[in-house]
Amino acid sequence: AQSVSQHNHHVILSEAASLELGCNYSYGGTVNLFWYVQYPGQHLQLLLKYFSGDPLVKGIKGFEAEFIKSKFSFNLRKPSVQWSDTAEYFCAVSLNFGNEKLTFGTGTRLTIIP
Amino acid sequence: EPEVTQTPSHQVTQMGQEVILRCVPISNHLYFYWYRQILGQKVEFLVSFYNNEISEKSEIFDDQFSVERPDGSNFTLKIRSTKLEDSAMYFCASRGQGNEQFFGPGTRLTVL
Repeated sequence: AQSVSQHNHHVILSEAASLELGCNYSYGGTVNLFWYVQYPGQHLQLLLKYFSGDPLVKGIKGFEAEFIKSKFSFNLRKPSVQWSDTAEYFCAVSLNFGNEKLTFGTGTRLTIIP
Repeated sequence: EPEVTQTPSHQVTQMGQEVILRCVPISNHLYFYWYRQILGQKVEFLVSFYNNEISEKSEIFDDQFSVERPDGSNFTLKIRSTKLEDSAMYFCASRGQGNEQFFGPGTRLTVL
């Protein structure tokens, strides 16, 4: 079964700092990769997704992620964070067949200090 | 923009009571899911539903749980006899032909 690891549990940054959140998955086959964001008191929103093609994907709000197949990684990046980026970030993977349920990582809480 | 809706937003129940959580998926979607998130933990898959039947369920989804699509729009999750450990945020999601799942705002279930 597939699994997802997010090693950063809580990240605290100042505004304008650069961000990189790690995500590794374990599965030998073809996967779809996602980053979801959950702002305080709100539901899960899709930030970006990778299905195939260019391994560098751009999402909403200036976020991007790079799929490195050899490292089984899909790290999330943003060059300059804002206070409004304070949220919980979840990496998720689904297999490229069947019902494509999502398997989530444990999440990274990001706190941006103004 | 179409969205997934869930009701109620917060449900409080006594242990042993039955609860039904309701979801209205996006209208032309074919695949439906329930996930849950216990406070402070990760989002966990419960069950997927396609073509009017369960396509996969996790070990969490035991005999106390059931899902139904009673009409063309609603998708419900029933917990027959709630336990304290069922307290969580329950998310419904739906998917069309593409690979992206769209999530509802969730129902916070509190079992006392």
